[in-house]
Amino acid sequence: KAGVTQTPRYLIKTRGQQVTLSCSPISGHRSVSWYQQTPGQGLQFLFEYFSETQRNKGNFPGRFSGRQFSNSRSEMNVSTLELGDSALYLCASRTGLVSGANVLTFGAGSRLTVL
Amino acid sequence: AQTVTQSQPEMSVQEAETVTLSCTYDTSESNYYLFWYKQPPSRQMILVIRQEAYKQQNATENRFSVNFQKAAKSFSLKISDSQLGDTAMYFCAFARGAQKLVFGQGTRLTINP
Repeated sequence: KAGVTQTPRYLIKTRGQQVTLSCSPISGHRSVSWYQQTPGQGLQFLFEYFSETQRNKGNFPGRFSGRQFSNSRSEMNVSTLELGDSALYLCASRTGLVSGANVLTFGAGSRLTVL
Repeated sequence: AQTVTQSQPEMSVQEAETVTLSCTYDTSESNYYLFWYKQPPSRQMILVIRQEAYKQQNATENRFSVNFQKAAKSFSLKISDSQLGDTAMYFCAFARGAQKLVFGQGTRLTINP
């Protein structure tokens, strides 16, 4: 069974640009969550999607957005990049939104560097 | 809001030793889940162990076990017979039901040969 796949693994952007990151969940997993990981702030929740609907959202500005497709694949977009957006972006999937299915399986992450 | 605190930013032990990582959390909920995740230098986060708060028995997975003290809101991870492959960042996390996971700041564990 394939794991959670994130692309690209590494990317470099300049301030003001936008970026789109992709995440393919484990087959059968319908929920996809995104986290930002930085040395200073640790792991911070961005949002979670289930059945193409955003179910939860963290405290990030509107420049951070996401979506989920009918095949459960998800993308997140960051517009007008700032230096502080440099981070490892982790995607995680789980089967659903019930308590017994709250174990997240993570991808390897996308390392974004903003210059 | 729930918070998770890991008071040990870094730890280092010799191979084959036992090491305990600390985690405390703050919540007013009575039913919740606690997790330990491991993030090796390759970066992929891996679930180590999960504990359901309503279960009295401490969870165990091979060399990994937890000491769950609900009243004290403490959830420590014990790694027995540590191995070089245990070198990683370890994150403690809290979740209320199916809600988002809230992570601690992590403990960087180094196993020395």
